[in-house]
Amino acid sequence: EIVMTQSPLSLPVTPGEPASFSCRSSQSLLHSDGYNYLDWYLQRPGQSPQLLIFLGSNRASGVPDRFSGSGSDTDFTLKISRVQPEDVGVYYCMQTLQTPLTFGPGTRVEIK
Amino acid sequence: EAQLVESGGGLVRPGGSLKLSCEVSGFTFSGTALHWVRQPPGKGLEWVGRIRTKPNNHATDYGTSVQGRFTISRDDLKNMAYLQMNSLKKEDTAVYYCGSGGDLVADILLWGQGTLVTVSS
Repeated sequence: EIVMTQSPLSLPVTPGEPASFSCRSSQSLLHSDGYNYLDWYLQRPGQSPQLLIFLGSNRASGVPDRFSGSGSDTDFTLKISRVQPEDVGVYYCMQTLQTPLTFGPGTRVEIK
Repeated sequence: EAQLVESGGGLVRPGGSLKLSCEVSGFTFSGTALHWVRQPPGKGLEWVGRIRTKPNNHATDYGTSVQGRFTISRDDLKNMAYLQMNSLKKEDTAVYYCGSGGDLVADILLWGQGTLVTVSS
């Protein structure tokens, strides 16, 4: 089973400022097709999760372009160019390379 | 509007069984994989399992902690999916979400609102 870790676990942010956080996997998520099988999800308070980024760097439909995913192999980053108040919540990475699919523990983003 | 609605949650004693349902509407359910993901109170997300489409033989995969106790099924004619949970433990207490996504790449594009399962004596 692939183990996912995230850092930091908590991140206070200032609206309008950039933010970034990390996700690491215990083995490479780079498939032979050239894609990294890594998703990012946001769970806002009291809501269901929503897909933000798939295959490492592709924004899901309707996701603002202030969100960007990068990285390869075992090391990934989610960046928010200018944090908005509605970006508060917990961000999870999840590997989709092999079953069982596994989530990271999440990074909780809150407004300072 | 595309949506998924879970039902069937409730209180069950340790060792008992419960069956959750996921009703899908607003899109072609037969063309998507269906996942179950759970979240214990105040904790993170855990993938429970997935059932793929008919062209992929309705293949199922499960998370390590539920393998052998939980079974996922689907009825494409009724636009329904199910999670049969047996030999329930206190640590199975969680909000259970169903979610749909691609069959080749396991992204979960659309999520339900969740249903709470409490395992307690």
